[in-house]
Amino acid sequence: GAVVSQHPSWVICKSGTSVKIECRSLDFQATTMFWYRQFPKKSLMLMATSNEGSKATYEQGVEKDKFLINHASLTLSTLTVTSAHPEDSSFYICSAALVTGGFTGTQYFGPGTRLTVL
Amino acid sequence: DAKTTQPPSMDCAEGRAANLPCNHSTISGNEYVYWYRQIHSQGPQYIIHGLKNNETNEMASLIITEDRKSSTLILPHATLRDTAVYYCIVRVQGGSEKLVFGKGMKLTVNP
Repeated sequence: GAVVSQHPSWVICKSGTSVKIECRSLDFQATTMFWYRQFPKKSLMLMATSNEGSKATYEQGVEKDKFLINHASLTLSTLTVTSAHPEDSSFYICSAALVTGGFTGTQYFGPGTRLTVL
Repeated sequence: DAKTTQPPSMDCAEGRAANLPCNHSTISGNEYVYWYRQIHSQGPQYIIHGLKNNETNEMASLIITEDRKSSTLILPHATLRDTAVYYCIVRVQGGSEKLVFGKGMKLTVNP
């Protein structure tokens, strides 16, 4: 149980294009999903928190117009990197958690998406 | 900032128990201790969590000191596949729900 998938697992795109990454909770309904970014040999950095049916909450320094997050259902959240540039190349990881009775349960992570912008 | 400190690295022989320490001296009463691990180029994997009692599951055991200022993750019989970066994280249950990842500890299991 508690499986989270991401698609695609890797993507290469040209500078200036937009890339959409999907995060799905396969066997549970995730009220809350999180998006992280990880640069080589660095730790995970939280980018934003998304709650189903509401606007995402972005961490300080993360451009909301550049990293569009949609959490339209209890099993799917998407991250769109708009007008991608080489500095956006990174490993993007999502996690999903079930909120019950106002308490957020354990976060389960997807396998990650490696984005390379040429 | 991460509220835990871990040694940067540790080696362990295959088949032996791996004891991974973590200090969280400023932990609050409502904060849980979570352990995740990340194998190279994969997403983090949940291992175990606890509040104050020792916990055990199919992957590992978590020993939390009585004053809750430190804990030890125990992998009872380490295998080569346990080589990973291990993260010890404290998190409020029911609060902002954020997981703040520190640098973690690289465990290398040697044959």
